[in-house]
Amino acid sequence: AQTIHQWPVAEIKAVGSPLSLGCTIKGKSSPNLYWYWQATGGTLQQLFYSITVGQVESVVQLNLSASRPKDDQFILSTEKLLLSHSGFYLCAWGSLDTSNSDYTFGSGTRLLVI
Amino acid sequence: SQWGEENLQALSIQEGEDVTMNCSYKTYTTVVQWYRQKSGKGPAQLILIRSNEREKRSGRLRATLDTSSQSSSLSITGTLATDTAVYFCATEPGGYKVVFGSGTRLLVSP
Repeated sequence: AQTIHQWPVAEIKAVGSPLSLGCTIKGKSSPNLYWYWQATGGTLQQLFYSITVGQVESVVQLNLSASRPKDDQFILSTEKLLLSHSGFYLCAWGSLDTSNSDYTFGSGTRLLVI
Repeated sequence: SQWGEENLQALSIQEGEDVTMNCSYKTYTTVVQWYRQKSGKGPAQLILIRSNEREKRSGRLRATLDTSSQSSSLSITGTLATDTAVYFCATEPGGYKVVFGSGTRLLVSP
């Protein structure tokens, strides 16, 4: 069975400090990987997607970057946090089989920027 | 109904009642997905309906899709208190992008 693990579970960080969030998928080879951001009480906004190692596409610009150093790992980062970065960050994987859109989300990282 | 630019909608019902949530979308999509998100958790996919399907059922869930009006609905029959969650629709306009609606907050009281 596929599992998706996000770390850390929660973070409190200062404005201007760096951030690195991680996501690991086990049990699925060459998954499509996604990062989403959700404001408290809001909808999910897709940030990045990656269909292969070393290749990441940005969907929206929020002063964040993403990398995929390994097939099963997806990293979200920034060098300088803003207050507006607070929220819930979710990693997801999707099937490569385009006949079956199957997305599975991780349990998320809650970030508070102060 | 929900879409990204609208505020989160809220519904409050009693356990055992049936409920229908609506979603309208603005761009072409090949599928509409419905998700349930419980407090503090990631969303879980409930049902996926394709553009060539008008209706799809899964247990107590029923999704409909009307591509001519670009709208979809999710119905839950015989709701339970455990159905309390936020429900999102999501579309795929292409290029690995997924666009979520604004969501409907459903509260089912025992």
